[in-house]
Amino acid sequence: GAGVSQSPSNKVTEKGKDVELRCDPISGHTALYWYRQSLGQGLEFLIYFQGNSAPDKSGLPSDRFSAERTGGSVSTLTIQRTQQEDSAVYLCASSRSYNEQFFGPGTRLTVL
Amino acid sequence: KQEVTQIPAALSVPEGENLVLNCSFTDSAIYNLQWFRQDPGKGLTSLLLIQSSQREQTSGRLNASLDKSSGRSTLYIAASQPGDSATYLCAATYSNAGNMLTFGGGTRLMVKP
Repeated sequence: GAGVSQSPSNKVTEKGKDVELRCDPISGHTALYWYRQSLGQGLEFLIYFQGNSAPDKSGLPSDRFSAERTGGSVSTLTIQRTQQEDSAVYLCASSRSYNEQFFGPGTRLTVL
Repeated sequence: KQEVTQIPAALSVPEGENLVLNCSFTDSAIYNLQWFRQDPGKGLTSLLLIQSSQREQTSGRLNASLDKSSGRSTLYIAASQPGDSATYLCAATYSNAGNMLTFGGGTRLMVKP
């Protein structure tokens, strides 16, 4: 079956612009996660959605970052007023509740 | 603080060798531990998931073990091949911290023909 998909695969933006990153999880997976992978910080958790519960936002680095998940499926991660330190690969994963997580190919964000 | 550590950061072995990758974690309240493979410029591929109640899992030439008391997991790769060259990441979820993964820094493996 189809895996986790993310779009765009690459995004180049100018400092100060807003960006939106999209994630389509595996059908039937109730949990969706966003992670960020950067050279200096490795892989770090950003935000987690589980069913209809309030999301766990404990990993978001600043209030410029937000995410939503519509209809329990597709999720959008929004970064406002991008900064150069936001440059990283943003990875999305999904799972069936507390279970094995499957990752998408990621979106490489470059802030000039 | 819940931390996951992988040593060594890089490893180079000749083709055919059996090898072990190490992962250590600081909190014994682990819920499960997952091993991933990442090829350059790609996302993460799940290799094995070990639940806290399990001691090991096997898939083909891969065997992963979990020892909660010592805070260690190992990934054993038998008869390594050049196609096994990649970065291997371990990640833990904790019973008291939702289901987000805490990742180690990874071990970059090179298998030479």
